Amino acid sequence: NAGVTQTPKFQVLKTGQSMTLQCAQDMNHNSMYWYRQDPGMGLRLIYYSASEGTTDKGEVPNGYNVSRLNKREFSLRLESAAPSQTSVYFCASSEGPYVGGEQYFGPGTRLTVT
Amino acid sequence: DQQVKQNSPSLSVQEGRISILNCDYTNSMFDYFLWYKKYPAEGPTFLISISSIKDKNEDGRFTVFLNKSAKHLSLHIVPSQPGDSAVYFCAASSGGSNYKLTFGKGTLLTVNP
Repeated sequence: NAGVTQTPKFQVLKTGQSMTLQCAQDMNHNSMYWYRQDPGMGLRLIYYSASEGTTDKGEVPNGYNVSRLNKREFSLRLESAAPSQTSVYFCASSEGPYVGGEQYFGPGTRLTVT
Repeated sequence: DQQVKQNSPSLSVQEGRISILNCDYTNSMFDYFLWYKKYPAEGPTFLISISSIKDKNEDGRFTVFLNKSAKHLSLHIVPSQPGDSAVYFCAASSGGSNYKLTFGKGTLLTVNP
């Protein structure tokens, strides 16, 4: 099992460019999440998908969109990148929204917006 | 407004001694708490969790204590090993669910040989 995979690992964008971060899990999990981690800020939830076909905003959704393509895949799109979106992005998945279902994280995508 | 606080950015301990990492929370609706460990250039990995109906949970060298009245939890690592050197994040959720986690800023633990 690969667990949670993310592509790309690194990306540099110019202000105004768009891109999609890809995430896939092979654990047959129902719930998936996108977080960003900034220096000294911990992880903050951007969007989540409790189950296939549903998505909801997290703590910091502005400037992002998501697509739950199927049960395995959950993508994060930046339509017009801004320097404030420079961050490390983590995708995670869990069996479902119930107690005891820990979240498993991918290795992260380091994004720099110039 | 930070709902989960880890007030110590870093902690240094000697190998074999006890490491105690602390976490405070302000949201009384939180009822499930987790600790994650993160190595550089990797994603966080789950370490241990505790429900608000308990005050202690143990898993090998790791024990989490929850003091609901003080809105405080702590992670004890005994004995500490150099491989434990990492950033430790405290996280919390409400409604009996494990999603929509709120994370603290993390504490960098260094275990010296």
